[in-house]
Amino acid sequence: DAGVIQSPRHEVTEMGQEVTLRCKPISGHDYLFWYRQTMMRGLELLIYFNNNVPIDDSGMPEDRFSAKMPNASFSTLKIQPSEPRDSAVYFCASSLAGGSNQPQHFGDGTRLSIL
Amino acid sequence: GESVGLHLPTLSVQEGDNSIINCAYSNSASDYFIWYKQESGKGPQFIIDIRSNMDKRQGQRVTVLLNKTVKHLSLQIAATQPGDSAVYFCAEKMSGQNFVFGPGTRLSVLP
Repeated sequence: DAGVIQSPRHEVTEMGQEVTLRCKPISGHDYLFWYRQTMMRGLELLIYFNNNVPIDDSGMPEDRFSAKMPNASFSTLKIQPSEPRDSAVYFCASSLAGGSNQPQHFGDGTRLSIL
Repeated sequence: GESVGLHLPTLSVQEGDNSIINCAYSNSASDYFIWYKQESGKGPQFIIDIRSNMDKRQGQRVTVLLNKTVKHLSLQIAATQPGDSAVYFCAEKMSGQNFVFGPGTRLSVLP
C-alpha cells in the first residue's frame, strides 16, 4: 500500500524565494498533519486538517507560512519569503478519524535548506 | 532525522539483549500515547500505541508500559537486533489531534 508521499525530497533555495512543499496522504485518511523537525526543537506540529478543513494552525511560526488542502488527496505547505532559519526537515502525516485515537503515518519528509 | 538539542540521549545495547527506552510525559490528562521509530533519512514509523485505560500492551518483540502515577512511558524491545538501531520517540495526545513528541532516544545496537 502506498504510504504518505511527499515532494520534493530535498529542496535548496536562496532566502527570499517562495518554497512549496507537497503531500499526498494515505487514501481514506481523514486527518493531515504538517510537522517541522530541527536539531534544536525536535518535532513540532505546525498545522493539521480534518476533512480538508484547517483545525489547528497555532504551530505555524508566522505569516510567511501557509498551508492548504484543496482536496482529500493533496496538501501544500508554502513559505514566502523563505529565510535561513526555516531550514529543517518538514514532514507530512495522515491518520484515520476512528474515534480520535489513531496513530499518524508519516512520509519521509522534505529536507529544506535556505541559503 | 535527529531530534532536539545537541545531546540526544543514547542507549547502547548488545545484540540479543533487551532494550528499555523511557519517556516522561507532561499532561496527566493525556489519554493516548504512541511510540515511533525513526531511521536516518526517513519519517517516524509507528511501532505501538497505548490508551490511558491500559497499563501494558504487547506487540511483536515490543512492549509498552504506562505508569500514569508518575507520568512515565517505556518501550521494551526484546532480543534487540541491528535493525533496531534508530531514534525512538514517544508522543502524547494533548487535545484534539495535537500530539507532542518527546526529544527522542538514540538506540545503538552493538555487535
